[in-house]
Amino acid sequence: NAGVMQNPRHLVRRRGQEARLRCSPMKGHSHVYWYRQLPEEGLKFMVYLQKENIIDESGMPKERFSAEFPKEGPSILRIQQVVRGDSAAYFCASSSTARRNSPLHFGNGTRLTVT
Amino acid sequence: DQQVKQNSPSLSVQEGRISILNCDYTNSMFDYFLWYKKYPAEGPTFLISISSIKDKNEDGRFTVFLNKSAKHLSLHIVPSQPGDSAVYFCAALDHNQAGTALIFGKGTTLSVSS
Repeated sequence: NAGVMQNPRHLVRRRGQEARLRCSPMKGHSHVYWYRQLPEEGLKFMVYLQKENIIDESGMPKERFSAEFPKEGPSILRIQQVVRGDSAAYFCASSSTARRNSPLHFGNGTRLTVT
Repeated sequence: DQQVKQNSPSLSVQEGRISILNCDYTNSMFDYFLWYKKYPAEGPTFLISISSIKDKNEDGRFTVFLNKSAKHLSLHIVPSQPGDSAVYFCAALDHNQAGTALIFGKGTTLSVSS
């Protein structure tokens, strides 16, 4: 029973390039969340998606960041024209329901380094 | 502005003793609290949770206490084991937030020595 799968585990991009981070939720899970952890910080909520819908993007930076969760395939977090400040660990989590006491299952993250 | 605060960045405990990790919050709309444990290079894993209608929840060696009037919760681990060494994150849910978008503290690194 595979858990939440994120790839790549490590991603290096030069300033100005695009970064694409992929997340396959646990089997049967249709709710996906993206979090970012900056160095020495806790995880910060970015966006919550259900299949084909963005439910809450209140944590997403207004520019350069976008997320999708298509009907088929993984959820994608896309960062255009990356800057050094985007260097962080990006974690995806999934749940089977939107019930508030449904614990999130996290992937092992993608560590993005912008040079 | 940190709504969930873990003021102790680190805690060292001997094996067999009690570990107490503390968490304070500022938002009175938080009504559900969770603790997650994280090992290096891995994602957080759920440990234990508590609803604001309770003041205690216990699961094996782990107990979470909630003091709503003080806006404070704590995680007790007893007895502590070397395998408990990890970063512990306190997280909260806002009553008004859609789904389960958690608000995390910065974490406390627990080191349990044998």
